[in-house]
Amino acid sequence: AQSVTQPDIHITVSEGASLELRCNYSYGATPYLFWYVQSPGQGLQLLLKYFSGDTLVQGIKGFEAEFKRSQSSFNLRKPSVHWSDAAEYFCAVGSSNTGNQFYFGTGTSLTVIP
Amino acid sequence: SAVISQKPSRDICQRGTSLTIQCQVDSQVTMMFWYRQQPGQSLTLIATANQGSEATYESGFVIDKFPISRPNLTFSTLTVSNMSPEDSSIYLCSVRTLAEAFFGQGTRLTVV
Repeated sequence: AQSVTQPDIHITVSEGASLELRCNYSYGATPYLFWYVQSPGQGLQLLLKYFSGDTLVQGIKGFEAEFKRSQSSFNLRKPSVHWSDAAEYFCAVGSSNTGNQFYFGTGTSLTVIP
Repeated sequence: SAVISQKPSRDICQRGTSLTIQCQVDSQVTMMFWYRQQPGQSLTLIATANQGSEATYESGFVIDKFPISRPNLTFSTLTVSNMSPEDSSIYLCSVRTLAEAFFGQGTRLTVV
């Protein structure tokens, strides 16, 4: 069965510090992997995605993620966090079939302290 | 890309009443997805709405409670029927391309 696990429910980092949000997935076929961000009261915005090729993908707002097939992971990273990065982050997995749904992790809430 | 307009953006409703949420997409899509996001939770798929056929509901969701219409390839509605406080959630409409899923801004529903 398809599933996405985000082990960290809540993370607090200091502004300027590095960040890594973990995501593990279980998917029968070759997965398409995504990270979305949801700011308070806002919809979901795509940060980055992985389909194939280079396993290190760059996204918006200085985020990057690395696909590791052997670990079934797609962790999100940012070298220096800004206060505006405080939000809820969701990892998602989908297939190449656009008729299929996305499966979302439970989310990681990020707090940034001055 | 796809731009999704969803309304209302929020509503406060009395228990026992129903609310219909509208979702308009700026391009034709075969399938539209309706999600629920309960407070502090992730997104849970309610159903997949296909044009010209019955919606497909996920486990735990039934048509009597969440009737869906899909009259054409750019529009869908989700009705939350006979509401109770447990239905207080954000409801999101979504469409997919190969590259990503697009979401409406959501409807924040509070049932009192």
